[in-house]
Amino acid sequence: RKEVEQDPGPFNVPEGATVAFNCTYSNSASQSFFWYRQDCRKEPKLLMSVYSSGNEDGRFTAQLNRASQYISLLIRDSKLSDSATYLCVVYDDYKLSFGAGTTVTVRA
Amino acid sequence: DAMVIQNPRYQVTQFGKPVTLSCSQTLNHNVMYWYQQKSSQAPKLLFHYYDKDFNNEADTPDNFQSRRPNTSFCFLDIRSPGLGDAAMYLCATSRDNAGRDQPQHFGDGTRLSIL
Repeated sequence: RKEVEQDPGPFNVPEGATVAFNCTYSNSASQSFFWYRQDCRKEPKLLMSVYSSGNEDGRFTAQLNRASQYISLLIRDSKLSDSATYLCVVYDDYKLSFGAGTTVTVRA
Repeated sequence: DAMVIQNPRYQVTQFGKPVTLSCSQTLNHNVMYWYQQKSSQAPKLLFHYYDKDFNNEADTPDNFQSRRPNTSFCFLDIRSPGLGDAAMYLCATSRDNAGRDQPQHFGDGTRLSIL
């Protein structure tokens, strides 16, 4: 079983729509969680950390459900520039484990 | 200004010919990581250095080696590249071991092709 699993998508949404997707992780003792964004053929970049109580950063909302071992990302009022692959990242001990990513395409 | 710099951006080598990828950082971070990312897959951690301490992942092939001569530089050596080693190689740094308050900073990556 993979440590971090994501629905690869793609999620194709119109501008202005809301899109949400989840990520599951296998290690119940995982300590920290992040969403990274990766554009095509570019490096991953930190989008936001995910806190136990849930947190927002502008149009982005992240949630953590420890009981069910998943995290979620919701994007409101999607922009064309939100088109990217979103990587779920889990921190255990000394290292980060990455999911394979969920691709979001926002169309005009 | 780029803080984690990888050279070259694109590298082409022949099957079996040793190749070295370079990473440098201006952040003075303690930890440097090397990841391998193949198309539509998650970045896979190969190894990392905490200062001078080398930490190899259990499933990293012996074909992959690394050197960190000083704080700023870290190299990935592939001794005998095979076709399956064609991938994007990402270097990352963090001030301390990666965690909530220790985001990783990635370089632009080196895309390696094997002929």
